Amino acid sequence: GAVVSQHPSRVICKSGTSVKIECRSLDFQATTMFWYRQFPKQSLMLMATSNEGSKATYEQGVEKDKFLINHASLTLSTLTVTSAHPEDSSFYICSASEFTGELFFGEGSRLTVL
Amino acid sequence: AQSVTQPDIHITVSEGASLELRCNYSYGATPYLFWYVQSPGQGLQLLLKYFSGDTLVQGIKGFEAEFKRSQSSFNLRKPSVHWSDAAEYFCAVGEVAGNKLTFGGGTRVLVKP
Repeated sequence: GAVVSQHPSRVICKSGTSVKIECRSLDFQATTMFWYRQFPKQSLMLMATSNEGSKATYEQGVEKDKFLINHASLTLSTLTVTSAHPEDSSFYICSASEFTGELFFGEGSRLTVL
Repeated sequence: AQSVTQPDIHITVSEGASLELRCNYSYGATPYLFWYVQSPGQGLQLLLKYFSGDTLVQGIKGFEAEFKRSQSSFNLRKPSVHWSDAAEYFCAVGEVAGNKLTFGGGTRVLVKP
């Protein structure tokens, strides 16, 4: 089946630095990818919809200047957490849909900000 | 706006016993419904989905779910659980295939030997 890969799977950074997380569709093209955030022992909350070649659409309450999303190609979307702070520590998961409409999720990226 | 409710936060079940996880959704039209499983620190694995047709859906790992429009429910069942079924289970609803999903709060399943 189709595979969505995220990198890195774990990242630890100091407060104030920026961190980039990649989401790749390995064997299919994805015009749309989705970024979710999951706090410990909680559900997934949609952060934004990433569209190839255009600006991302952010959900209400998500700071677009804090969470920069770039979808430069049909197989890659990136999420950059700028000037990260401890409250940004979370599990970030992306998903992508192939032409059949089926959604595939990445393995997730755990961000810890010290 | 669509929403999903999973009334049970935790469920403990003995190995070999049956399991049922509840999911209720709120959506104006016919929804696209999903059940995902997540092991600790891992991503999501799709168990099954419902788009249309037969309301009883078979999934992987011996799971099945039944769509009941009158009750706005999509409950997940397994006749006999295995220790490896211990995980977090999420019900989700989408507007169209391949689109963003709204997730329920999740149900954590613990399996007793």
